[in-house]
Parts: sequence; structure tokens; C-alpha cells
Amino acid sequence: KAGVTQTPRYLIKTRGQQVTLSCSPISGHRSVSWYQQTPGQGLQFLFEYFSETQRNKGNFPGRFSGRQFSNSRSEMNVSTLELGDSALYLCASSLRPGQKNTEAFFGQGTRLTVV
Amino acid sequence: GNSVTQMEGPVTLSEEAFLTINCTYTATGYPSLFWYVQYPGEGLQLLLKATKADDKGSNKGFEATYRKETTSFHLEKGSVQVSDSAVYFCALSRGGADGLTFGKGTHLIIQP
Repeated sequence: KAGVTQTPRYLIKTRGQQVTLSCSPISGHRSVSWYQQTPGQGLQFLFEYFSETQRNKGNFPGRFSGRQFSNSRSEMNVSTLELGDSALYLCASSLRPGQKNTEAFFGQGTRLTVV
Repeated sequence: GNSVTQMEGPVTLSEEAFLTINCTYTATGYPSLFWYVQYPGEGLQLLLKATKADDKGSNKGFEATYRKETTSFHLEKGSVQVSDSAVYFCALSRGGADGLTFGKGTHLIIQP
């Protein structure tokens, strides 16, 4: 069974540009969450999607957005990139959302560098 | 709000030493607790979990017990190996739509 796939693995962008990251969850998983990992802030929750609907969003500006498609694949978009957006962006999938016992499976992440 | 506190390290040990990584949490209700491990250049892998008080999670020689009275979930291993070198994250989930709340991570270095 294939794991969570994130593409691309690495990205270098210039300040002011926008970027789109992709996440394909494990087959049969319908919930996708995104996290930002930085040395200073650690792992922070960005948003969660289920059935093409955003269920919740963490404390991030409106420049961060996402969506989920009918096949459960998800994308996140960051517009008007800032140097501080440089981070590892991790996607996690799970069978269903909202249950505290459910295991989240993580992808390898996309390393975004803003220059 | 929810929070998780863990020692950040780096923690450096010799092979076959005993390992403890402390983790304490703040949350309302009865969260589930997790330990995730991140190897260099990789995403996170679930190491173990516990879903209620006094539960013990275990995997690959690692153990952690859910202690509600001390709001702790300390990770232990009796004899570490070089291959255990990684960053370890303690996390909690209350369910709902809030996702996982992580600690800052503990960088573990095992020397031969």
C-alpha cells in the first residue's frame, strides 16, 4: 500500500511569488491535514480537509490556503511568499477526521526555501 | 489551549544506555497521546500511542505510559542503538478539527 506522497520534495521560490504543494493521501483515507515545520516554531497545524471541505484552520494568515479534490488529493497554496515561509511542509492523512485515537500518516514533506 | 512540553536537546547518549525523554501536556478532557519519530530528511512516523489514562504504548523497545495525575507521557528505552538517532516528537489529540498539537521535538544522538 502506497504511503502519503508529497510533491515536489524541494522548492526554491523568490519573495513575492506564490507556490502550490500537492499531497496524495493513502488510498481510502479521506482526511488530509497540513503542518508547517520550522526550527523556531516547531510543528504547527495549518488546516484539515475532509470531503473537500476545510474543517479547521490554524493560526496562519490568509496567504495560506488549501483545497481538497473529490479523490481526496489535497493542495496547499501560499501566495506572496515571505522569507519566513521557508519551512518543511508536511501532509498527513487519516481514515476519518475528528477522532482523537486515529493515527495520522505523514508524507516526507516538501522543503520550501524562499530567497 | 492545548500544549506539549518536552526537552529539546540535543540529548547525547552512548550505545546501550538507558533513555528517557520527558513529555508533559496541558489539555482539557482526555486527549490521546503520541510519540512520533523523524529521521533525517524524512517525514514523521508514529512510534507509539496511548488513548487513555494508565495505558502503556510500546514499539521497537520504546515505551511510554499515559499518566493523567502528572499529565505526562515520558518516552523510555532500556538500551539505545545508533539507529535510534533521530528527532522525537510528543503530541496530543483531543479529536475534533484541531489536528495534532506537537512539542518542539527532542534531538537524540546515540554515539557508538
